[in-house]
Amino acid sequence: EVQLVESGGGLVQPGGSLRVSCAASGFTFSSYWMSWVRQAPGKGLEWVANINQDGSEKYYVDSVKGRFTISRDNAKNSLYLQMNSLRAEDTAVYYCAREGLGNMGGAFDIWGQGTMVTVSS
Amino acid sequence: DIQMTQSPSTLSASVGDRVTITCRASQSINNWLAWYQQKPGKAPKLLIYKASSLESGVPSRFSGSGSGTEFTLTISSLQPDDFTTYYCQQYYSYPWTFGQGTKVEIK
Repeated sequence: EVQLVESGGGLVQPGGSLRVSCAASGFTFSSYWMSWVRQAPGKGLEWVANINQDGSEKYYVDSVKGRFTISRDNAKNSLYLQMNSLRAEDTAVYYCAREGLGNMGGAFDIWGQGTMVTVSS
Repeated sequence: DIQMTQSPSTLSASVGDRVTITCRASQSINNWLAWYQQKPGKAPKLLIYKASSLESGVPSRFSGSGSGTEFTLTISSLQPDDFTTYYCQQYYSYPWTFGQGTKVEIK
């Protein structure tokens, strides 16, 4: 079964750091671009960052540039998001998502269940 | 950044109705548009990619059309399971951006 499972969410104080992880299974992880997408409570979806197959290309939304770092370990079939200098507005469910191939590239065909990150004192 | 605007924000309809949701981009995105369905407390589910291609396993009552800056998602005959929220997303240029969502509710 194709699956993405996030972990590592929790409560962190403003200015703090947190790393969330995503474990992939059931497909050739190293063949796909991967993304993080977040959703603040009661709000819409926001793409955060993505990374190419070998980790040599990374893109970020402006609001997290310089604070968040996306990375991957293909040997471990895992995706990561290191979040530093966290702000209250970063509070959200963070989803790991697979970007499709070919004409689907950039559309997210597989999603994890999400992990909640709460930034509060 | 490319802004994606969905209309309406809320849509009231009945089982069996034909409904259409519109998504407008602030600049041309060719056909690089996806539609998702999201149920409360769940991850989004891909319905349509490349504006009009139906994702595998998605019922044929869902269809997408459009190009350039204006796109539509049509549900030909609403089923009870379809009353939830829908999002469009452009993947033409970074940052990828989503519409604000359309909630389809029971009339």
